[in-house]
Amino acid sequence: LAKTTQPISMDSYEGQEVNITCSHNNIATNDYITWYQQFPSQGPRFIIQGYKTKVTNEVASLFIPADRKSSTLSLPRVSLSDTAVYYCLVLSGGYQKVTFGTGTKLQVIP
Amino acid sequence: KAGVTQTPRYLIKTRGQQVTLSCSPISGHRSVSWYQQTPGQGLQFLFEYFSETQRNKGNFPGRFSGRQFSNSRSEMNVSTLELGDSALYLCASGNQGLAGEQYFGPGTRLTVT
Repeated sequence: LAKTTQPISMDSYEGQEVNITCSHNNIATNDYITWYQQFPSQGPRFIIQGYKTKVTNEVASLFIPADRKSSTLSLPRVSLSDTAVYYCLVLSGGYQKVTFGTGTKLQVIP
Repeated sequence: KAGVTQTPRYLIKTRGQQVTLSCSPISGHRSVSWYQQTPGQGLQFLFEYFSETQRNKGNFPGRFSGRQFSNSRSEMNVSTLELGDSALYLCASGNQGLAGEQYFGPGTRLTVT
């Protein structure tokens, strides 16, 4: 996989769970995945980061399957304020290779 | 705590000129990284500095350079500007660098004419 790809856009109703997938080359067991949220005219904002199979914080979960060729950001019960563009950041090759995903525009519908 | 600040916020330059962008990190953060964001190429990593040393570098030509000062403030310089350098330039700071939580500034919008 030459690029780190994400779905271009997703729509979801308020209150639903949203899963956004980032497809990348298989990464090593200690390579990091980070997810950022970006609103128009603002810099990205950190959501979650990890390298293990599953990481959870107060706003999201991150899942990395065993083949480590993708990762999924899970947002539980989205609200209108979650409408934004979401980017994955893959840190691989001993932290020498830094690649952003293509970005997913999430639209939350009332 | 004050956030990451970038100056200037907007800049218009002519092809062939050079430009210097400035980034002031959150107090106490030793890592500063720079990114270019364009509609066509998306977000791309430029370089990261930690305690005044460049620790990581993306795939950009040598016209793009940076430095970090002892107070962790960082500057990015682009020489011989090209039309394709028009972009939003973002900097981010953090305690651990790329493997940790990074806090982004609002960016500098550079337009090359």
